[in-house]
Amino acid sequence: AQSVTQPDIHITVSEGASLELRCNYSYGATPYLFWYVQSPGQGLQLLLKYFSGDTLVQGIKGFEAEFKRSQSSFNLRKPSVHWSDAAEYFCAVGDPYSGGGADGLTFGKGTHLIIQP
Amino acid sequence: DAGVTQSPTHLIKTRGQQVTLRCSPKSGHDTVSWYQQALGQGPQFIFQYYEEEERQRGNFPDRFSGHQFPNYSSELNVNALLLGDSALYLCASSRRPGTSNQPQHFGDGTRLSIL
Repeated sequence: AQSVTQPDIHITVSEGASLELRCNYSYGATPYLFWYVQSPGQGLQLLLKYFSGDTLVQGIKGFEAEFKRSQSSFNLRKPSVHWSDAAEYFCAVGDPYSGGGADGLTFGKGTHLIIQP
Repeated sequence: DAGVTQSPTHLIKTRGQQVTLRCSPKSGHDTVSWYQQALGQGPQFIFQYYEEEERQRGNFPDRFSGHQFPNYSSELNVNALLLGDSALYLCASSRRPGTSNQPQHFGDGTRLSIL
């Protein structure tokens, strides 16, 4: 069974500083990988996705993520955070052999990002 | 272009009751998935509907059932509610599985509280 681990429950970053959120997955092959963001009381918004090809993917709001097969990781990065980035971030995997990106996703437990002024 | 819409926004029920949550997919999408997100947790996949049939199911009991209508909208039904069913229920829509690598788009959810 596939699983996703987000090792950091909370992360505090100063505004303007760089950010890296960690995500490790367990899966028999290379899954489809996603990062979603959730603001309080809101649903999930897709930041970026990896299906295949270039292992460095660019997303919305200045985020990027790098897929590292050898480490089974898909870490999210941003060079300079803004106060509006404070939210909950979820990494998710999908099965490329069934429904692909439309399949039932497996999510990590999330990382709560706090931005210090 | 309307995104995924869910109703109601909030709902309060008591143990043993039954509840129905509703979801309208994003325009152009024909597949609907439902997730349960307990407080402080990531979403957990309940099931997925395509062509009015349940296509995939997560590890949820039969108390959780659903339906998809010809216009692609969907309902999630939960019977014999338990305190542990209190959660945010998220609906996600996408295009038909396997036809394109399109990600799921999520609604803002229905907050269900069981007293």
